[in-house]
Amino acid sequence: EDQVTQSPEALRLQEGESSSLNCSYTVSGLRGLFWYRQDPGKGPEFLFTLYSAGEEKEKERLKATLTKKESFLHITAPKPEDSATYLCAVPPSGGYKYIFGTGTRLKVLA
Amino acid sequence: GAGVSQSPRYKVAKRGQDVALRCDPISGHVSLFWYQQALGQGPEFLTYFQNEAQLDKSGLPSDRFFAERPEGSVSTLKIQRTQQEDSAVYLCASSLRSGTGVAEAFFGQGTRLTVV
Repeated sequence: EDQVTQSPEALRLQEGESSSLNCSYTVSGLRGLFWYRQDPGKGPEFLFTLYSAGEEKEKERLKATLTKKESFLHITAPKPEDSATYLCAVPPSGGYKYIFGTGTRLKVLA
Repeated sequence: GAGVSQSPRYKVAKRGQDVALRCDPISGHVSLFWYQQALGQGPEFLTYFQNEAQLDKSGLPSDRFFAERPEGSVSTLKIQRTQQEDSAVYLCASSLRSGTGVAEAFFGQGTRLTVV
């Protein structure tokens, strides 16, 4: 069964303390992996798309990487405004929907 | 418009009442998705449209849920005889993706439905 698992569920960091969020997936024939950021009371905001193992994308303090089994979202020197829930999603083999993980709730303390 | 627009932002319904949630996608986006998000969970797929055709409705939880996109742009998700378990945030997303291709989807702010 196609599945997406994110860890940790929640993460508290001090401002400037770098860390990584994990997204593990089991789909046959990965066609892409998406990272989103979701603020409370808002819809998910698109961050990155990764298509193949070894690919990396960067945006400000965020860098997303992809292997054959998982993706990491690295946060370098985070700031309080990076506090949000980070979601990853994959399209399963065939079909139209995207399967989302349950997200990692990140809190960055000043 | 500049982004996906959903209305209303908040809806309180009495149990048994019918509700209609509206989604106005990004202009020109072929694909439109509806997702349901419970508190503390990731979005769960409900249904998918390519233009006006509803190609996948496998995620609709019961026959009380109905979605349409008659002219291939605005979409409405209708829930009949609402139940407390229908309380959730309903998210709409649109994408340039065609068919089973892969492209990022852009989400609206969501409609928070509370059934009392």
